[in-house]
Amino acid sequence: AQSVTQLDSHVSVSEGTPVLLRCNYSSSYSPSLFWYVQHPNKGLQLLLKYTSAATLVKGINGFEAEFKKSETSFHLTKPSAHMSDAAEYFCVVSQAAGNKLTFGGGTRVLVKP
Amino acid sequence: GAGVSQSPRYKVAKRGQDVALRCDPISGHVSLFWYQQALGQGPEFLTYFQNEAQLDKSGLPSDRFFAERPEGSVSTLKIQRTQQEDSAVYLCASSLGGQGKINYGYTFGSGTRLTVV
Repeated sequence: AQSVTQLDSHVSVSEGTPVLLRCNYSSSYSPSLFWYVQHPNKGLQLLLKYTSAATLVKGINGFEAEFKKSETSFHLTKPSAHMSDAAEYFCVVSQAAGNKLTFGGGTRVLVKP
Repeated sequence: GAGVSQSPRYKVAKRGQDVALRCDPISGHVSLFWYQQALGQGPEFLTYFQNEAQLDKSGLPSDRFFAERPEGSVSTLKIQRTQQEDSAVYLCASSLGGQGKINYGYTFGSGTRLTVV
């Protein structure tokens, strides 16, 4: 069984300040972990993925995430928020032995000018 | 095509009506998934195809939901006798790899927004 908990349903940041989106997972197998972004009325876009290689994963648009097995966490960060980062973000887990993706509840990011 | 295409983009159905939602995956992609995303929530798994075989339908909420992929490419999700709780965005995703090949990426379509009135 696998599950994902995104600890914040909403995050508000000022433009130019750091962003932190928290994610904890549970998985019976060695997990693959993903972060997706969803802009209004648009499809899900992959930001980055962890598949048992380097624990610090760099993604698109300046985002990165660190896999911490001891904490079962996969938090997403960005050093400096941009207005275009305002969107919904989903942490996703998948079992290494299967394909089904399990999504967290999402974190809506608001960026203030 | 270059991406996963879903149609229609929007669908309004009267309660009790049957609907059919179409997904055109990326050419050559082996795996195809359907997800349901209710308003304000994350997508939830409905069903999975590897080529034409439906390997997992554990997420289908009731026997009113039926999916097929007869030739291993285009897929259709059918909902019979729609109910208001079926209102959601239905997402399709495809992947080059088959089951177990987790390192292949997933490409999502823009979804079909179903509203049952």
